[in-house]
Amino acid sequence: DVKVTQSSRYLVKRTGEKVFLECVQDMDHENMFWYRQDPGLGLRLIYFSYDVKMKEKGDIPEGYSVSREKKERFSLILESASTNQTSMYLCASSLQGAFYEQYFGPGTRLTVT
Amino acid sequence: GEDVEQSLFLSVREGDSSVINCTYTDSSSTYLYWYKQEPGAGLQLLTYIFSNMDMKQDQRLTVLLNKKDKHLSLRIADTQTGDSAIYFCAEAGNNRKLIWGLGTSLAVNP
Repeated sequence: DVKVTQSSRYLVKRTGEKVFLECVQDMDHENMFWYRQDPGLGLRLIYFSYDVKMKEKGDIPEGYSVSREKKERFSLILESASTNQTSMYLCASSLQGAFYEQYFGPGTRLTVT
Repeated sequence: GEDVEQSLFLSVREGDSSVINCTYTDSSSTYLYWYKQEPGAGLQLLTYIFSNMDMKQDQRLTVLLNKKDKHLSLRIADTQTGDSAIYFCAEAGNNRKLIWGLGTSLAVNP
């Protein structure tokens, strides 16, 4: 079974803090993704990575950066957290040949106060 | 632009069939997907259909594709309380992105 784990289920941070969300997958997938999920807005892609040290912007990259130093790990960084980044963050991964067959982690619910 | 639309809510009785509908806009989409999100969990891929197919069946799940009308449906036979979840329709868009619907919340009543 593919397993995608995220470092925290719930996180509370203050405005202006630097926030790191970690994601690890154990199935040697080439592609990894970060989404945010908000009521009424659905899932929106923040960034994805198709290889170590490679990344591409998604639909809403502003205010976020990512890091992929190892194949199994993909980090999302909020450089200076703001209240409008309060959301559910979902990490996913997929094989190179099955880009859209994505396996999701359980999510991190981030609250910025 | 690319867009995927779904009705937001569906309520059925246990044992009945559920039909969740979706419309999409990009006729060049090659694959269309159904994902399920249970309460407090991430999404899981349920099934998908290639655009040159009309129907795909997988146990209790049947996917129907009407390419002319750009309409996709997911039928769940003998719906159980464990099927209560949010169901997302998604199409494989351009630039290696999935275009997601907002999800249909399925409530199964005993």
